[in-house]
Amino acid sequence: GQNIDQPTEMTATEGAIVQINCTYQTSGFNGLFWYQQHAGEAPTFLSYNVLDGLEEKGRFSSFLSRSKGYSYLLLKELQMKDSASYLCAVRDLRNTPLVFGKGTRLSVIA
Amino acid sequence: ETGVTQTPRHLVMGMTNKKSLKCEQHLGHNAMYWYKQSAKKPLELMFVYSLEERVENNSVPSRFSPECPNSSHLFLHLHTLQPEDSALYLCASSQGTGELFFGEGSRLTVL
Repeated sequence: GQNIDQPTEMTATEGAIVQINCTYQTSGFNGLFWYQQHAGEAPTFLSYNVLDGLEEKGRFSSFLSRSKGYSYLLLKELQMKDSASYLCAVRDLRNTPLVFGKGTRLSVIA
Repeated sequence: ETGVTQTPRHLVMGMTNKKSLKCEQHLGHNAMYWYKQSAKKPLELMFVYSLEERVENNSVPSRFSPECPNSSHLFLHLHTLQPEDSALYLCASSQGTGELFFGEGSRLTVL
């Protein structure tokens, strides 16, 4: 089976750093994606990891450890507009569709 | 603007109605998807079309019927739905197994 876990909700302060964790158990592994979804809007692609390590893209970074079945999304210098749901998704086999976690709703407060 | 357009954005229907959701992608992708998003649940994959051929059907009730007439258009035909089918229905496209590009979704309410 497939199981993807992430915290349901998180709150962080404007200007701070927040780390959103994702753990997964899948039969195989062919990449992990993070998406951002603002309320009432489409999910948008943030990052992709297929090898162990850190991928940095501006204020956002994503880390992967395949041996631990673990990833995190790191958001630096938080802004109010970062308040959104963050979805972790895994592809278990090469040509299979993504399987999503329930998402983490992040609230950024002043 | 993600290049994937869904209509209607909101739909209210009775259990005996027949309606359709439409999705159009302008990205030249070769795969299209329907996902269901309910509160407090993960995005659930419903159907996948690759090169206009349905390649996945995740045990979705027959009251949902997809149609993919060409690589740019995808429909979801709805009939005799139940109140528990109320959800946000998201269309997405991709080039092969690359990242998904989502539409804004169609918010469906079944009375």
